[in-house]
Amino acid sequence: GEDVEQSLFLSVREGDSSVINCTYTDSSSTYLYWYKQEPGAGLQLLTYIFSNMDMKQDQRLTVLLNKKDKHLSLRIADTQTGDSAIYFCAGRSNDYKLSFGAGTTVTVRA
Amino acid sequence: ETGVTQSPTHLIKTRGQQVTLRCSSQSGHNTVSWYQQALGQGPQFIFQYYREEENGRGNFPPRFSGLQFPNYSSELNVNALELDDSALYLCALTGVRSEQYFGPGTRLTVT
Repeated sequence: GEDVEQSLFLSVREGDSSVINCTYTDSSSTYLYWYKQEPGAGLQLLTYIFSNMDMKQDQRLTVLLNKKDKHLSLRIADTQTGDSAIYFCAGRSNDYKLSFGAGTTVTVRA
Repeated sequence: ETGVTQSPTHLIKTRGQQVTLRCSSQSGHNTVSWYQQALGQGPQFIFQYYREEENGRGNFPPRFSGLQFPNYSSELNVNALELDDSALYLCALTGVRSEQYFGPGTRLTVT
């Protein structure tokens, strides 16, 4: 199975970039995902990356994957107040289930 | 908007009771997964159904059971509720690239 670890909190000023980090243990993870959860809501899929990629960019989001170090990061450019939420990284192994980290609470301050 | 719906949105039950939670989507997805998210934690995988058969299970006891119907809607049943079963229950449908799309969840409170 997959163990996924994330830092718990991140505070960032509006307009700055946010970087959320994640480490995972299962080297057979085929896909890695980033989800966003706002208070009282379900999980919104933000982006995902295949394990054979190093980087993926999607508008303000950039995902970097270092397979050697089993490290995944999500960069949010020009962070806005609407980006305040909990962000989860998740890995998917061959058994199709997703293993989630505990989530990083991002607070955007004016 | 994922098109995944779950019902009910909130539910309060008493310890020892049984509960059924439901999940459906506007378009057919043949793979559905259920997760439990306790307060302040990430979601934990309960089980997955593919074409009406259980396809994988996490570390949950047999009192957690499920069904998937021919129209690909799904149910999660929990018997003999315990206080620790209080959580947000999420269903997720699998897309063509194995990404998972989550519904809004059902908040279950066991008293």
